[in-house]
Order: sequence, then structure tokens, then C-alpha cells
Amino acid sequence: AQSVSQHNHHVILSEAASLELGCNYSYGGTVNLFWYVQYPGQHLQLLLKYFSGDPLVKGIKGFEAEFIKSKFSFNLRKPSVQWSDTAEYFCAVNADTGRRALTFGSGTRLQVQP
Amino acid sequence: DTGVSQDPRHKITKRGQNVTFRCDPISEHNRLYWYRQTLGQGPEFLTYFQNEAQLEKSRLLSDRFSAERPKGSFSTLEIQRTEQGDSAMYLCASSVRGSFQETQYFGPGTRLLVL
Repeated sequence: AQSVSQHNHHVILSEAASLELGCNYSYGGTVNLFWYVQYPGQHLQLLLKYFSGDPLVKGIKGFEAEFIKSKFSFNLRKPSVQWSDTAEYFCAVNADTGRRALTFGSGTRLQVQP
Repeated sequence: DTGVSQDPRHKITKRGQNVTFRCDPISEHNRLYWYRQTLGQGPEFLTYFQNEAQLEKSRLLSDRFSAERPKGSFSTLEIQRTEQGDSAMYLCASSVRGSFQETQYFGPGTRLLVL
């Protein structure tokens, strides 16, 4: 079964700092990769996704992620964070095993200080 | 609002009681998923439906849990004889059946507290 690791549990940054959140998964086959975001008091929203093609994907609000197959990684980046980026970020994967379920990481709580 | 909706948003119950949650997927989405999220963790898959057929169930879904999607539209998740360990956020998601490449869209969740 696949698993997802998010090693940064809690990240505190100042506004305008650059962000990189790590995500590693364990599965050797074809995967779909997602980053979801949960703003305080709101539901999970899709930030970006990778299915195939260009390994650098761009999402909403200036976020991007890079799929590196050799490292089983899908790290999330943003060059300059804003206070409004304060949220919890979840990496998720589903694999070509026939199962439809998403496997989520435990999340990274990002706190951006003004 | 054309997103996934869930009802109720909050539920407090006493141990041993039964509870039922409802999920209305995005219109025309024929796949519907239930997940459970506890504090400090990511969502964990419980079960999913394609139209009215329940195609997959997680080992997390004990005998006390049952889910239905009788007409292939809304779904209900029932927990019988609730236990304190059932306290969690129950999330519903929906997607359109397609190839392997599909995106799940989540509702606001139902937060359950079992006293």
C-alpha cells in the first residue's frame, strides 16, 4: 500500500519569505499527485495536481510543485508567502492499483507572520 | 453553491447512540467518497461509491459503520452504537468517473463529538 510523508509538521515564516514543503510517497508505479489546502474554518480545497507531462505544475495563488520521480517527491513551493497563506497543507497520492482512494500525508501547518 | 454539501456540520452525541450524516455531491459527479479526519492527521479513506454501487471499503469501516447511496445521488453514513473513538471530522468528496486521472472535490465535513 502506498504511503505519504510530510516531514514538516509546523512551519512558521515571515511574510515575503520563500516556502518549500516536502512530500514523499512510497509507490513505484504511476501516480497522481495532489496538494490540498485547508484555510482556517474552511474545507479542503485543491491547490494543484499532477497527472502526467511537465513535472513542474502551477496551481492557484502562486503555488507550484515539482514531481521528481527518482526521488518519489512532490514538493510544494511559493517564492513569497503572504499572511493569507496561513493554512494546513496536505499532500495526497493515488496510484494505478485500481483503488480510487486518495492517501494523504499528515499535513503541514503553515503559519505566516505579518 | 454547486460544491459538495454535508449535513449536519456539527453533531454531538452520547456514547451508544446512532448518528447519520448526509452528503450531496456536485451535480453529475457519479463517484462519491467518505473519509475520516482526526486531529493532526490527514483524511483517511473509508469507502466509495460509483453511482449506487459501493465498490470499496476500508478496514477502518467497522461493522458499526454503514454507508448507502440509494439512487446514485446523495449518500448517508451511519454509525451505530457510537464510541468516543469515533469522534472525528467526516468528509465527503465527489468526482466524475473518467480515466485514472480524476480529481476529488471535498465538502465542509461533519464534525462528530461523542461524549
